Amino acid sequence: QKEVEQDPGPLSVPEGAIVSLNCTYSNSAFQYFMWYRQYSRKGPELLMYTYSSGNKEDGRFTAQVDKSSKYISLFIRDSQPSDSATYLCAMTPPQGGSEKLVFGKGMKLTVNP
Amino acid sequence: EAQVTQNPRYLITVTGKKLTVTCSQNMNHEYMSWYRQDPGLGLRQIYYSMNVEVTDKGDVPEGYKVSRKEKRNFPLILESPSPNQTSLYFCASSFLGQGQETQYFGPGTRLLVL
Repeated sequence: QKEVEQDPGPLSVPEGAIVSLNCTYSNSAFQYFMWYRQYSRKGPELLMYTYSSGNKEDGRFTAQVDKSSKYISLFIRDSQPSDSATYLCAMTPPQGGSEKLVFGKGMKLTVNP
Repeated sequence: EAQVTQNPRYLITVTGKKLTVTCSQNMNHEYMSWYRQDPGLGLRQIYYSMNVEVTDKGDVPEGYKVSRKEKRNFPLILESPSPNQTSLYFCASSFLGQGQETQYFGPGTRLLVL
């Protein structure tokens, strides 16, 4: 079993939809959880960062961590065509900090106007 | 403006010809990393550095070298490139502290080894 699993999609939704992106992981010691957005032909950009369990909200984006289920989610409310990108989850193993991340493979999202 | 720069952006080379991809950041970050991104495999870490003269292997270090002589620069060296190193490479720098994480990726270097 891979350390981090992410459905690669692709996922296509209409503008205004609520989008739910998910990752599961196997290492219960992961502490830091991140979501990245990567536009085509660009480097990833850090979107959300959470420590341990709980929710974090930033505008239309909400990151959720459920350590008991080893499951993290990113919700996008009122999705826009500009949200079309590949979304990657990432987390740190117990011996590393932000410098040693394990990434999911990324899910490609398309928001149709 | 916070920035991570990489050069070159595109490179075609032949097997065995040594090359260096440069990476520079202007944010005074301590942490820097190199990743490669391949279809179906996602982002995989090659090497990382926690400070000047402190580097360590990531998940796929074979065939690569790095050095960190200055805080702002973290070059990636391929001593004898092979076709399986054809990939998209990203450099990143980050800061973790005070409950905040900031991380920036460079624009990527697309490498083709013939």
